[in-house]
Amino acid sequence: RKEVEQDPGPFNVPEGATVAFNCTYSNSASQSFFWYRQDCRKEPKLLMSVYSSGNEDGRFTAQLNRASQYISLLIRDSKLSDSATYLCVVIFYSSASKIIFGSGTRLSIRP
Amino acid sequence: NAGVTQTPKFQVLKTGQSMTLQCAQDMNHNSMYWYRQDPGMGLRLIYYSASEGTTDKGEVPNGYNVSRLNKREFSLRLESAAPSQTSVYFCASSQVNTGELFFGEGSRLTVL
Repeated sequence: RKEVEQDPGPFNVPEGATVAFNCTYSNSASQSFFWYRQDCRKEPKLLMSVYSSGNEDGRFTAQLNRASQYISLLIRDSKLSDSATYLCVVIFYSSASKIIFGSGTRLSIRP
Repeated sequence: NAGVTQTPKFQVLKTGQSMTLQCAQDMNHNSMYWYRQDPGMGLRLIYYSASEGTTDKGEVPNGYNVSRLNKREFSLRLESAAPSQTSVYFCASSQVNTGELFFGEGSRLTVL
């Protein structure tokens, strides 16, 4: 089983819709969590960190559920420009830190 | 405002040829990384360098070597390219392990 798993999608939703996707992790070591965005044929860029209490940045909300070992990303009032692949990233801290990327969830917003 | 710069952006090699991917960052970051990205596989770590003078293997190091030339530069070498190394290669840097990695634009390598 992969340490970090995401539903690959694609999620195809109309403009203005709310969409959410999850990322599960399987290592119980101390962790930090992030969502990255990657546009087609571009490099990944940090979208937001995920804090234990959850956090919001405009239309984007990130949540962490340690008990069930997953993080989520909610996008409200989706825009055409939100079309991208969203990568979940987990840093596991043990004897050495390990950064693991999920394989990404592809989101397509249609007019 | 360069950030992370990778060269070349595109390269076609024949099986058995060698080449070096160059990466430089101007953000004074300690840590640098080389990833490869294949369809459906996500980003896989090839090698990383936690600080100048150190390098460590990642998830898929076979067939690659790296050099942390100084704090700014981290190069990836393919000694004898194979078709399985056809991929998009990303260099990244970060300050310690903050979680925010800054990526270069990628190098698209095709091995025939």
